Amino acid sequence: KQEVTQIPAALSVPEGENLVLNCSFTDSAIYNLQWFRQDPGKGLTSLLLIQSSQREQTSGRLNASLDKSSGRSTLYIAASQPGDSATYLCAVRGNNRLAFGKGNQVVVIP
Amino acid sequence: GAGVSQSPRYKVAKRGQDVALRCDPISGHVSLFWYQQALGQGPEFLTYFQNEAQLDKSGLPSDRFFAERPEGSVSTLKIQRTQQEDSAVYLCASNVGLAGGRFYNEQFFGPGTRLTVL
Repeated sequence: KQEVTQIPAALSVPEGENLVLNCSFTDSAIYNLQWFRQDPGKGLTSLLLIQSSQREQTSGRLNASLDKSSGRSTLYIAASQPGDSATYLCAVRGNNRLAFGKGNQVVVIP
Repeated sequence: GAGVSQSPRYKVAKRGQDVALRCDPISGHVSLFWYQQALGQGPEFLTYFQNEAQLDKSGLPSDRFFAERPEGSVSTLKIQRTQQEDSAVYLCASNVGLAGGRFYNEQFFGPGTRLTVL
């Protein structure tokens, strides 16, 4: 069974600092990896999708890397803003499902 | 176009009641997924449809849980004789899906239904 771990579980950073969120997974046989954002009481918003053949994806201030062989992904958020406060979830795609981590709960302090 | 929608957004049930949760996927999306998210946890897979066919229901926690998608669009997740441990947010997702069983597209999620069983 695929196990996905996200470290740290929670972090607070002052506004303007860069955020680094880590995700690790146990089974490297994945189709893709997706990073999501979840605000309290809301559904999941897709941020970035990295195919298994890719090494990274970028969208604005967000950059995600994937090292499939070592089972790791990192999400970088540059110049964090208070609006970035949310829970960030990493999910890896196996055959018919996404396997999620528990999330990184982020607070950006103005 | 519209995203994935779910109804109701909130449901309170007394223990032992049956509930039905509805998901409207993005129009034209072949694949539909149900996930259960307990408080403070990541979502856990429940079941998967490709069009009207339920191809994987291995994540359903008990035979009290039943899902259907009879016409390959709207899906309903039904929970019979609800228990307190069923309290969670139920998330629905869809993606385009590709022929041959290889899926490279991102999944789009609805807002979820928060079920509270008293």
